[in-house]
Amino acid sequence: DAGVIQSPRHEVTEMGQEVTLRCKPISGHNSLFWYRQTMMRGLELLIYFNNNVPIDDSGMPEDRFSAKMPNASFSTLKIQPSEPRDSAVYFCASRHGQVDDYTFGSGTRLTVV
Amino acid sequence: AQSVTQLGSHVSVSEGALVLLRCNYSSSVPPYLFWYVQYPNQGLQLLLKYTSAATLVKGINGFEAEFKKSETSFHLTKPSAHMSDAAEYFCAVSARRGGGADGLTFGKGTHLIIQP
Repeated sequence: DAGVIQSPRHEVTEMGQEVTLRCKPISGHNSLFWYRQTMMRGLELLIYFNNNVPIDDSGMPEDRFSAKMPNASFSTLKIQPSEPRDSAVYFCASRHGQVDDYTFGSGTRLTVV
Repeated sequence: AQSVTQLGSHVSVSEGALVLLRCNYSSSVPPYLFWYVQYPNQGLQLLLKYTSAATLVKGINGFEAEFKKSETSFHLTKPSAHMSDAAEYFCAVSARRGGGADGLTFGKGTHLIIQP
């Protein structure tokens, strides 16, 4: 089991550019979560999916952020256009529906300059 | 709605001393509670979790936590600190029951410093 896989590990982009973060959950896990970690705000839940369906996106900061889960093995978080205040570490986590073990990926460190 | 308060953004202990990291929660339903550890530039690793079974929960690396409903607390302890315990520790709460998904609500974290 390779765990939750996120790519890229690091991303540096210029303000205004589109950024796409990727996540592959653990096979068999039917819930997927996107979190953002910053020094000021800590770990914030952005959005989560259950069986590939977005359940709650109330944590998405604004319309520049969007997330998709086209199938059970892949999800993306997109920021368009990116801004310096989006700089953070973005974590993806997955969970099996009947077990409360959330497995986190190693994160993507995003820097917007 | 759920929330978590971790008292002390930084805790410093000597190697071999007791580690105590404090966590208080607020939840409108019986909670599930978690402690995670994060080492520099890494993801979050589950230390232990409480899911309404035994109130004293034992986790990895010698850590344990006790759920106290009357105090709405879930403090993390370790009898003897090791240098390798230096990391960021997060307490989290979930209100999930019986299916569905609602995610974890995290505290702000406590940075544990181990003095040699």
